[in-house]
Amino acid sequence: GAGVSQSPSNKVTEKGKDVELRCDPISGHTALYWYRQSLGQGLEFLIYFQGNSAPDKSGLPSDRFSAERTGGSVSTLTIQRTQQEDSAVYLCASSLISGTQPYTFGSGTRLTVV
Amino acid sequence: SQQGEEDPQALSIQEGENATMNCSYKTSINNLQWYRQNSGRGLVHLILIRSNEREKHSGRLRVTLDTSKKSSSLLITASRAADTASYFCATEGATNDYKLSFGAGTTVTVRA
Repeated sequence: GAGVSQSPSNKVTEKGKDVELRCDPISGHTALYWYRQSLGQGLEFLIYFQGNSAPDKSGLPSDRFSAERTGGSVSTLTIQRTQQEDSAVYLCASSLISGTQPYTFGSGTRLTVV
Repeated sequence: SQQGEEDPQALSIQEGENATMNCSYKTSINNLQWYRQNSGRGLVHLILIRSNEREKHSGRLRVTLDTSKKSSSLLITASRAADTASYFCATEGATNDYKLSFGAGTTVTVRA
């Protein structure tokens, strides 16, 4: 596609429910990144994919968070048993190859846990 | 963990004035990038400067990099209302971990 597409753009969920956030990167971009941004804060790295594999999952905050990428394209970030502290904007970015390449970001998913 | 620290946290200027913001980082880098974010949504890449470069220009943007001081600056000249946004520096570490570490950002408000 022309840009990085994320869905849904907004998600309100009840505490304890599971949510899935989707990212559709730019076609041909092999590297895909998930970040989280809490209100007024910087970006917190969550996970990085090179193709379908995730060499770096170091930023996932707990085992309630998981992500996968299939076909070297679409990625899904799943949060199980959501907590109020999970409320944030979840940003996905892709780049042509990993390393020394600018990222193209999606518009993010604003997650609100009530 | 956040590698970059931007300074100031917030900046308010009159249209036509220049805006300067600084970024400091802690470890050796391959490159440093600046991004702009409007309305708390997706970030837009502005400029990338490699560790062996000292200065780079793009339109009204000027970026400097001082690796000895582990710092960078972003200058926006002749600011416009449309420049109102948050600006983030991001560093790619020299250990080739291929992920960018972002600072907390500088919020710039340009008054008409």
